[in-house]
Amino acid sequence: GENVEQHPSTLSVQEGDSAVIKCTYSDSASNYFPWYKQELGKRPQLIIDIRSNVGEKKDQRIAVTLNKTAKHFSLHITETQPEDSAVYFCAAGNTGTASKLTFGTGTRLQVTL
Amino acid sequence: NAGVTQTPKFRVLKTGQSMTLLCAQDMNHEYMYWYRQDPGMGLRLIHYSVGEGTTAKGEVPDGYNVSRLKKQNFLLGLESAAPSQTSVYFCASTLSGANVLTFGAGSRLTVL
Repeated sequence: GENVEQHPSTLSVQEGDSAVIKCTYSDSASNYFPWYKQELGKRPQLIIDIRSNVGEKKDQRIAVTLNKTAKHFSLHITETQPEDSAVYFCAAGNTGTASKLTFGTGTRLQVTL
Repeated sequence: NAGVTQTPKFRVLKTGQSMTLLCAQDMNHEYMYWYRQDPGMGLRLIHYSVGEGTTAKGEVPDGYNVSRLKKQNFLLGLESAAPSQTSVYFCASTLSGANVLTFGAGSRLTVL
């Protein structure tokens, strides 16, 4: 089955700096890679996702890049703000054949003033 | 449109007691999931269902049972609660397997 590794487990950046979270996956058949954000005490919510037919996707200050050859994908947050402080989860799966997503173990991002 | 609703939100149990967590979705989703979240361990899949009347085991199924008698409901049961089952439980649903998940607000369970 699919195995997703996520690094780092914790990340502290100063407000205004960029943050990068990296994930690797094992199943070359995976073609869907979402990122979820979980604020303290809240439910995880999708912030961005990418499918394997594109290499990069951007939404304002958030971008995700995908390298299918190396089987890794990354979340980039630019101009970080205190409200970006949360736990971020990556996940991977195949939209055609998989019945579930496989999640990484999460990255706790702290944006300091 | 409520999305995914979990009940109860909080529960304290004594070791050996039983209980059921209810997840209800009103989006006509086929797939439903139960995860548990523990500090530093991310989201671990307990059981899931790919449609009414079906269930399957996830990564950490021991000590839990599930049922999906109606498409909109997915029940998670603990027959004999143990302190190791103290956790936050999240239900989620999606239209098809590897796709956008909608999560419930979570249920915090403490087993003494």
